[in-house]
Amino acid sequence: GNSVTQMEGPVTLSEEAFLTINCTYTATGYPSLFWYVQYPGEGLQLLLKATKADDKGSNKGFEATYRKETTSFHLEKGSVQVSDSAVYFCALLNTGGFKTIFGAGTRLFVKA
Amino acid sequence: NAGVTQTPKFQVLKTGQSMTLQCAQDMNHEYMSWYRQDPGMGLRLIHYSVGAGITDQGEVPNGYNVSRSTTEDFPLRLLSAAPSQTSVYFCASRPLEGNSGNTIYFGEGSWLTVV
Repeated sequence: GNSVTQMEGPVTLSEEAFLTINCTYTATGYPSLFWYVQYPGEGLQLLLKATKADDKGSNKGFEATYRKETTSFHLEKGSVQVSDSAVYFCALLNTGGFKTIFGAGTRLFVKA
Repeated sequence: NAGVTQTPKFQVLKTGQSMTLQCAQDMNHEYMSWYRQDPGMGLRLIHYSVGAGITDQGEVPNGYNVSRSTTEDFPLRLLSAAPSQTSVYFCASRPLEGNSGNTIYFGEGSWLTVV
């Protein structure tokens, strides 16, 4: 079946540090891949996505590249800010499927 | 632009009580779903619907019912609340076609405590 595995948190970084949150997936087809972000007390919102192999999604300084050979979609940001403190979810939607499958989420704390 | 609206935002129930979480979307999305979010377990799909009159089970459907009488509304019913149903519930929707057809839109969540 389809599944998403992402690194456990929490991740604690100082402001301006480099961020990587690892995400790997298992899927029977050719899924679309997503990163969603959840700020405290809010619902999830789309951060970025990629729909085919080697695509790079980017938004707000965050990037992730769809790597089919390693079944990965790692999230990166070169310089984090305090305002990036949130929970980050990796997700997939398989081609022709209805259900979006989410990872367990990784909580990020950024210290000033 | 309201998007996905959930009510209530907070609710405390006694064991055995029933209640309905309301969800409405104004984006004419065919697909709607309910997730629950628990610490360390991410989001788990409870039920989903691909259109009015069509519903199906997700990975954790027991203890919950849904119906989809209109495109806009997708209420989630707890039949007899149990402490294990204490959670944060999210309603979500997306279109099934088009350029944004694979991006899911979430409500702000409903915090439910069963005592």
